[in-house]
Amino acid sequence: AQSVTQLDSQVPVFEEAPVELRCNYSSSVSVYLFWYVQYPNQGLQLLLKYLSGSTLVKGINGFEAEFNKSQTSFHLRKPSVHISDTAEYFCAVSKGGYQKVTFGTGTKLQVIP
Amino acid sequence: EPEVTQTPSHQVTQMGQEVILRCVPISNHLYFYWYRQILGQKVEFLVSFYNNEISEKSEIFDDQFSVERPDGSNFTLKIRSTKLEDSAMYFCASMAGATRVSTDTQYFGPGTRLTVL
Repeated sequence: AQSVTQLDSQVPVFEEAPVELRCNYSSSVSVYLFWYVQYPNQGLQLLLKYLSGSTLVKGINGFEAEFNKSQTSFHLRKPSVHISDTAEYFCAVSKGGYQKVTFGTGTKLQVIP
Repeated sequence: EPEVTQTPSHQVTQMGQEVILRCVPISNHLYFYWYRQILGQKVEFLVSFYNNEISEKSEIFDDQFSVERPDGSNFTLKIRSTKLEDSAMYFCASMAGATRVSTDTQYFGPGTRLTVL
C-alpha cells in the first residue's frame, strides 16, 4: 500500500519570502509523485509531477520539488511567494498509468502581506 | 484548455434521498474517477471506470454507490440512500489513457459539495 504524509497542516509565510512544504511518502513499489494545488472554492490543479529522470522537477507558478529516494521525500519549494499563492497544497502518489492517486492531508499556505 | 466540469456545484439533500452527481470529463479521455473529501480530511479515492466498467473501487464504495456513463459525454455518481456521513466534496477526474502511457495525468473537476441534512 502507498501513503503520503504532509507534516505541516498550515504554513504562514510573509510575501516574497521562500517557502518549503514538506511531503514524505511510503510505498513498496516505484511510484510517481505529484503536487496539486486547490485555490479557495476551486478544484484540484496539477502543479508538478515526478515520473522519472531528473530529481528536480519544475512546475507552474515558479514552484519546484525535489525527489529524494533515500529520504522518501518530495518537498515543494518556491523562492519567493506571492499573495496569490495562498491555497491548499496536496502531495500525492500513484503507481502510475491509470492507477488511483493517493493524497496527503494537505498543507494550507497562508501568505501574509 | 479543456477541463473537467461538474454539476451541481452544491447539492443539499435529506438523509435517505438519492442523489446523482454529474461530471463531464475531458473529451476523448478514457479513464474516469470519483474521489471525495470530507471536510477537514484528505481526498480519498472512491472508484475508477474504464471501458464501461469499474476498474477499481475502495472500501468506501459500497452498494449504496454506483457509477454510470450514460452517454458519450457524462459520467455520473449515484448515491442511493444518502447518510449524514456522505456529506463531502466529490471530485471527478479523467485521464487520457489512449496509449496506457504511464505518464498520463488525472485532471480534476471543481467538485460538487454534497450536504446531507
